[in-house]
Amino acid sequence: DVKVTQSSRYLVKRTGEKVFLECVQDMDHENMFWYRQDPGLGLRLIYFSYDVKMKEKGDIPEGYSVSREKKERFSLILESASTNQTSMYLCASSLREGWASYEQYFGPGTRLTVT
Amino acid sequence: RKEVEQDPGPFNVPEGATVAFNCTYSNSASQSFFWYRQDCRKEPKLLMSVYSSGNEDGRFTAQLNRASQYISLLIRDSKLSDSATYLCVPDTNAGKSTFGDGTTLTVKP
Repeated sequence: DVKVTQSSRYLVKRTGEKVFLECVQDMDHENMFWYRQDPGLGLRLIYFSYDVKMKEKGDIPEGYSVSREKKERFSLILESASTNQTSMYLCASSLREGWASYEQYFGPGTRLTVT
Repeated sequence: RKEVEQDPGPFNVPEGATVAFNCTYSNSASQSFFWYRQDCRKEPKLLMSVYSSGNEDGRFTAQLNRASQYISLLIRDSKLSDSATYLCVPDTNAGKSTFGDGTTLTVKP
C-alpha cells in the first residue's frame, strides 16, 4: 500500500516566517508534486519533481521553492509566508516510465494558516 | 479557456439514480485520463484510469471522445456513499496532469 505522509495536518504561521512543508513517500516513485487547493480554484500545481534534485515550475510557483535531496522526500518552502498563502497543501507521488502518466497518490494534506 | 472544464454542479440525485458528468479538455496531446474522487476534507483518490476509448468498473463507466475532446463519467444505481467531488484529470506532459475543478455530487435518500 502506497503511503504518502506530510509532516503536519495543521500549521499556523505568522506573516514573514519561513515555512517548511515536508512530504515523504514509501513507494520509490520518481515523480513528486506539490499542489495547493482553494475553494473555487481547484487543485493547482506549484512544483513538480521527476527525479532527485530535478524540479519544474508548475502553474503557481511564485513565493515558493522546493527541495528534493532524496528520492522519497520532497519539501515545499515558503521563504516569507504571506496571508494569501493560507491554503490546503497537498503532496502527491507517482510512478514514472517514459512519457506515460500514472495514478497520483496523495498525502492527507497540510492546512496552513498565515496570520 | 481553461485546460480542463467541468460542470461544478452540485448534482443532487436520489439513491438509485443514474448520473453523468462531462469534462472537456483543451490539450489534444493528452493520452491518459483519470477520474479522481475527493471526499470532503480528504485527499483525492483515484477512481478510474482511461487509456483507450473507455473503461468500466462496476457501477462506474468512463467514456472518452478524443475527436470532441471530452470524457464522461457515468454512475449507475447511485449510493449515498457516492457523494463526493469528482475530479477529471487529463495528463499533459510526462507525468504532469492538470486537475479539473471538480463536480460535486450529493446522493440523497
